[in-house]
Amino acid sequence: QAVVTQEPSLTVSPGGTVTLTCGSSTGAVTSGHYPYWFQQKPGQAPTTLIYDTSDKHSWTPARFSGSLLGGKAALTLSGAQPEDEADYYCLLAYSDARLFGGGTKLTVL
Amino acid sequence: QVQLVQSGSEVKNPGASVKVSCRTSGYTFTTYGITWVRQAPGQGLEWMGWISTFNGNTNYEQKLQGRVTMTTDTSTRTAYMELRSLRSDDTAVYYCARAGGNPDYWGQGTLVTVSS
Repeated sequence: QAVVTQEPSLTVSPGGTVTLTCGSSTGAVTSGHYPYWFQQKPGQAPTTLIYDTSDKHSWTPARFSGSLLGGKAALTLSGAQPEDEADYYCLLAYSDARLFGGGTKLTVL
Repeated sequence: QVQLVQSGSEVKNPGASVKVSCRTSGYTFTTYGITWVRQAPGQGLEWMGWISTFNGNTNYEQKLQGRVTMTTDTSTRTAYMELRSLRSDDTAVYYCARAGGNPDYWGQGTLVTVSS
């Protein structure tokens, strides 16, 4: 079975920019994996930030954007806010299965 | 507004079964499927499977095949996830989420504790 990889932890300064990535053990991540990104704060259910690589929901702050970068899916946060400190998970589609990455703990400090 | 409201916490003995419900509102139920995701304490998210609310077709995570059953009741707009032969490593928060392809709106989660 494929493995989806994310950075275990990242730190960004308030107002700074950070990129989280999501790789696949099977090779390059493409739009055909329909990458999704989720944010989860402690004790809360996840919220969906990005779907189908780069599309945003109405509730997604404009400072979040999704893309494909260097064979991986990427979530870029531009202008980090203290409230962006959270765990971030990507989800990739493989034929009949969906796999989450292990998550990235983002610290805003 | 779209809402998914899950049933309350459960404590089960090893070997028992649990059935979690997910009552939906605010949209046409049969237009979107339901995905189930779980999260063990201190761990990441795990995709469990998906059910079509239109025709009942299911797609389960391979390692749960044979132990999990997802169903829906269109008359009450409710989805159900039953997990059998519970083990201690099934202790987790179980989430339902509306999913056309993948999740958008999420339920609040249901804690299932497996302990003797």
